[in-house]
Amino acid sequence: AQSVTQPDIHITVSEGASLELRCNYSYGATPYLFWYVQSPGQGLQLLLKYFSGDTLVQGIKGFEAEFKRSQSSFNLRKPSVHWSDAAEYFCAVGETTSGTYKYIFGTGTRLKVLA
Amino acid sequence: DAGVIQSPRHEVTEMGQEVTLRCKPISGHNSLFWYRQTMMRGLELLIYFNNNVPIDDSGMPEDRFSAKMPNASFSTLKIQPSEPRDSAVYFCASSAVWSGMNEQFFGPGTRLTVL
Repeated sequence: AQSVTQPDIHITVSEGASLELRCNYSYGATPYLFWYVQSPGQGLQLLLKYFSGDTLVQGIKGFEAEFKRSQSSFNLRKPSVHWSDAAEYFCAVGETTSGTYKYIFGTGTRLKVLA
Repeated sequence: DAGVIQSPRHEVTEMGQEVTLRCKPISGHNSLFWYRQTMMRGLELLIYFNNNVPIDDSGMPEDRFSAKMPNASFSTLKIQPSEPRDSAVYFCASSAVWSGMNEQFFGPGTRLTVL
């Protein structure tokens, strides 16, 4: 069965430091991969997505992610974190079955940013 | 575009009462998803619709839960009777899935508290 693993439940970084959030997936075919961010009390907002092509994808708010098929990973990165990046981040893989489409979400990584 | 609209934003009810959550997807989107988010279980897909037809309701926890989509612009999630363990944030998301996987747009959620 398809699955998504985010091994880090909590991460704390200092403002201005670099960030990498890990995501590993299990999927038989070429995956559709997504990163979403959820600020406190808000819904989920798409940061970036990978469908095909260039394995390094750029997203909003200065985030990027790299698809590595050999490692079944799609890690999210940001070179310099801002205090406003404190939120929960979800990785998801898109699953297609008989023409239907749905996401499988990871359990999320909560990011805390120290001033 | 107004985005995905959910109502109410907050609902407090007593055990045994019927609860109805409402969702208006983005105009032109043909897929609609209901999710539940709790601290213990994370983000769970309850049910999703394609072109107003329920495709997969395997995530609906019990027969007390039901969902309908009478037309392309409206969906409801009903819990009858409600129980304290149903307390959670319920999200609705919509997507335009015409030729493959696409991003889901999330509403702000309904925070349900069952006393």
